[in-house]
Amino acid sequence: SQQGEEDPQALSIQEGENATMNCSYKTSINNLQWYRQNSGRGLVHLILIRSNEREKHSGRLRVTLDTSKKSSSLLITASRAADTASYFCATDATLPETSGSRLTFGEGTQLTVNP
Amino acid sequence: NAGVTQTPKFQVLKTGQSMTLQCAQDMNHEYMSWYRQDPGMGLRLIHYSVGAGITDQGEVPNGYNVSRSTTEDFPLRLLSAAPSQTSVYFCASSQTVNYGYTFGSGTRLTVV
Repeated sequence: SQQGEEDPQALSIQEGENATMNCSYKTSINNLQWYRQNSGRGLVHLILIRSNEREKHSGRLRVTLDTSKKSSSLLITASRAADTASYFCATDATLPETSGSRLTFGEGTQLTVNP
Repeated sequence: NAGVTQTPKFQVLKTGQSMTLQCAQDMNHEYMSWYRQDPGMGLRLIHYSVGAGITDQGEVPNGYNVSRSTTEDFPLRLLSAAPSQTSVYFCASSQTVNYGYTFGSGTRLTVV
């Protein structure tokens, strides 16, 4: 089964409002990442937060991580119509047998920002 | 610097045919992964590699093979295509742990 679960599945807001998306996961992680996908396109990496970090900012994006609750949130402030896309959280978990890691995704939140 | 290049972009296969989806990256990334994305769903990990010569199975590996003979290339082979393998396939690469992944633009595969 997939590691992350996003909430809500769909979110519709007006331009200028803030959008908050949540992600829960199940196992220990190295880091948690958020990606964006425009319709019919590939995924674009937005932000990465390491397991020892609690909050991170990048432009209009703010990500929080609570490892005790195994949850994260992505906040997009002052949303724009161009922010309309699917947003996915992904968890990077350590693989002791290979000394590497692998990235697994949740099912995503579809954000619609209305002009 | 092309990033992650996937070929072909579109493919139609008949049930039972085999084919290889190509993925190449020019960023000297150690980690590479293959995902499939079905309509309205997230990405499911098929196979991944943490370096040349090292591959492992992801969440949905059945019906697919991979190899990693060079750092740059990570081809995905469909052994005997089935309609259930109709999907969009994404290849991605990352420098190492604690770095984000760069995705290719995807291969849209239809099996009839």
